[in-house]
Amino acid sequence: GENVEQHPSTLSVQEGDSAVIKCTYSDSASNYFPWYKQELGKGPQLIIDIRSNVGEKKDQRIAVTLNKTAKHFSLHITETQPEDSAVYFCAASIGGNTPLVFGKGTRLSVIA
Amino acid sequence: DAGVIQSPRHEVTEMGQEVTLRCKPISGHNSLFWYRQTMMRGLELLIYFNNNVPIDDSGMPEDRFSAKMPNASFSTLKIQPSEPRDSAVYFCASSIRQGGGYTFGSGTRLTVV
Repeated sequence: GENVEQHPSTLSVQEGDSAVIKCTYSDSASNYFPWYKQELGKGPQLIIDIRSNVGEKKDQRIAVTLNKTAKHFSLHITETQPEDSAVYFCAASIGGNTPLVFGKGTRLSVIA
Repeated sequence: DAGVIQSPRHEVTEMGQEVTLRCKPISGHNSLFWYRQTMMRGLELLIYFNNNVPIDDSGMPEDRFSAKMPNASFSTLKIQPSEPRDSAVYFCASSIRQGGGYTFGSGTRLTVV
C-alpha cells in the first residue's frame, strides 16, 4: 500500500522567512495530494490540495508543488507569521475507494 | 454548517470499561473515516465507510474495537474493554466523495487509566 514520508519533523523559522515541508510517496498511482494544518486542540484542517494533472498550485502565501516523476510534493509558506505555527500534515491518495494516507507531520514554529 | 461533530471532547475511563465515541458527519457527505492520533504513530486510519457501509476495517487494532454507521448522520466507535494503550485522540472525518478532501471533527481525547 501507499507510504508517505514527511520531512522535517520540526521546523523553526523567523517571522517573515519562508518555510518548506517535503513529502515523498511510494505508489505511483496516487493522484491526489492534500495538506492539512492542525492547531493545538483542534482537528486537522485542509489548507490546500493538488491533483496529479498540475505541477503547482498557489493560494496567497501558500503554494504546493508536485513532481510525479520523483514522487514528491512540497508545501511552501512565504512571509511566515506567528499564526502559521502549527503541525502540518501531507497526505496522498490513489482515489477511488482508497482513503488518504498521512505523513507523520511537521511541527512549524514561527518565531516573532 | 456546524462541521463534523464529535462527542465527547474528553473521556477519562478506567481500564476494562466500555467506551463509545460518537460522530455526526457533515450532511451530504457520503464517506466517513475514523482515525487515531498518537505521538508515536501519527494519524492512523482505523476504519472507513462509504454510504454507511464499512469498506475497510483492517486498521482496527483488535477485536476490542468496533464501529457502526446505522445511518448517514451518525457513527460510533466502541472500545470494549478499554486498555491504557488505547489512550489517544480519536478523530472522525467526512468527505463528499472518496478521493476528495476531508473535514475533520475536533476529536475525542481518550485517557484510559
